[in-house]
Amino acid sequence: ETGVTQSPTHLIKTRGQQVTLRCSSQSGHNTVSWYQQALGQGPQFIFQYYREEENGRGNFPPRFSGLQFPNYSSELNVNALELDDSALYLCASSQGGGELNTGELFFGEGSRLTVL
Amino acid sequence: AQSVAQPEDQVNVAEGNPLTVKCTYSVSGNPYLFWYVQYPNRGLQFLLKYITGDNLVKGSYGFEAEFNKSQTSFHLKKPSALVSDSALYFCAVRVYNQGGKLIFGQGTELSVKP
Repeated sequence: ETGVTQSPTHLIKTRGQQVTLRCSSQSGHNTVSWYQQALGQGPQFIFQYYREEENGRGNFPPRFSGLQFPNYSSELNVNALELDDSALYLCASSQGGGELNTGELFFGEGSRLTVL
Repeated sequence: AQSVAQPEDQVNVAEGNPLTVKCTYSVSGNPYLFWYVQYPNRGLQFLLKYITGDNLVKGSYGFEAEFNKSQTSFHLKKPSALVSDSALYFCAVRVYNQGGKLIFGQGTELSVKP
């Protein structure tokens, strides 16, 4: 059984640029959630994908977007980067959508984004 | 609105002593509650969850948590702390009918000294 893997692990961008982060979900999981964790804070929910459809979104602007592929891997895209986007971006996989999903999440190691 | 509060930013414990990390919650409906642990520069690891049933939930690495509905609390406990337990601990609640969406507390840094 393979765990959740994320890439890249670290990256540096400048304001206004665009970034794509990637996540491979754990074997057997069909749901991927993305979280933003700013320094010293708890993770904040960005959005979730279940069977390639967005299935819940947090309080993040539209420049945060995502995709889920048929193999349940996922991408997080952020356009027009701002300084406040500097954070650890965590991907989590789980099984099921809606009430079928108990909320037990399996997290990757994260992608640390620095915006200068 | 659903929320989670961890009233202590830091908890210091001597190795071998019992530890408690506090969490209170506010939810609509029946709560699904979780504890996760984060080691430096790592992702979060699932420790335990409460969905229904026995109020004392046992999890990984000897941790347990007590669900108290009247006090809306879900405190994490361990009878005997280890230095290797030093990490950042997050309490979380699942948003009703939104599967993988969890609301996390701010985190509590646990420091266990030899």
